[in-house]
Amino acid sequence: EAQVTQNPRYLITVTGKKLTVTCSQNMNHEYMSWYRQDPGLGLRQIYYSMNVEATDKGDVPEGYKVSRKEKRNFPLILESPSPNQTSLYFCASSFRSGRVLGNEQFFGPGTRLTVL
Amino acid sequence: AQRVTQPEKLLSVFKGAPVELKCNYSYSGSPELFWYVQYSRQRLQLLLRHISRESIKGFTADLNKGETSFHLKKPFAQEEDSAMYYCALSGLGGGATNKLIFGTGTLLAVQP
Repeated sequence: EAQVTQNPRYLITVTGKKLTVTCSQNMNHEYMSWYRQDPGLGLRQIYYSMNVEATDKGDVPEGYKVSRKEKRNFPLILESPSPNQTSLYFCASSFRSGRVLGNEQFFGPGTRLTVL
Repeated sequence: AQRVTQPEKLLSVFKGAPVELKCNYSYSGSPELFWYVQYSRQRLQLLLRHISRESIKGFTADLNKGETSFHLKKPFAQEEDSAMYYCALSGLGGGATNKLIFGTGTLLAVQP
């Protein structure tokens, strides 16, 4: 089944303890992206990647890192989490843009992170 | 600046009533507009996009470049339409090509 998977689905941690949220897709998509969803703010893009070894900042990159060493994986790294990073995180992927494809993005199930 | 505005946080209608979810955008180039939907306990998924000019689950949306709007409409709401709806914009060309900018979302509640 074509899908985007994220792990873990739920995580409670403490301030300053490094963590990684994994994201994997099996659709051979070039483009991958991370979003956070907060009440009243909708989805905001954290980082995105156009292809392997090509990443760029989104709208809210502070406090996050990403890597794209393989096409299928795009982990989100929080080196020193803080309480303001408590949020629901979504990974998404798509083929690279062309007019015909229209940039439909496929989303993972979400990871609910709580930083105490 | 690129921006998507959904003025209503919550829209409550009765079953069978018409629905219009508002979306306005700000973008200097030629945008692609989308509606994504998130049903309870499900993933965010694409509902429709303006380039396809299609009707999905009875919903339609027309891009009005003069009013910079992309409102989502359905003539007769069903209870299963209850969900969070997000309008999104993607720029064509340049660095913004694969960047989706979301609105803050509108929760549609269809009452029986």
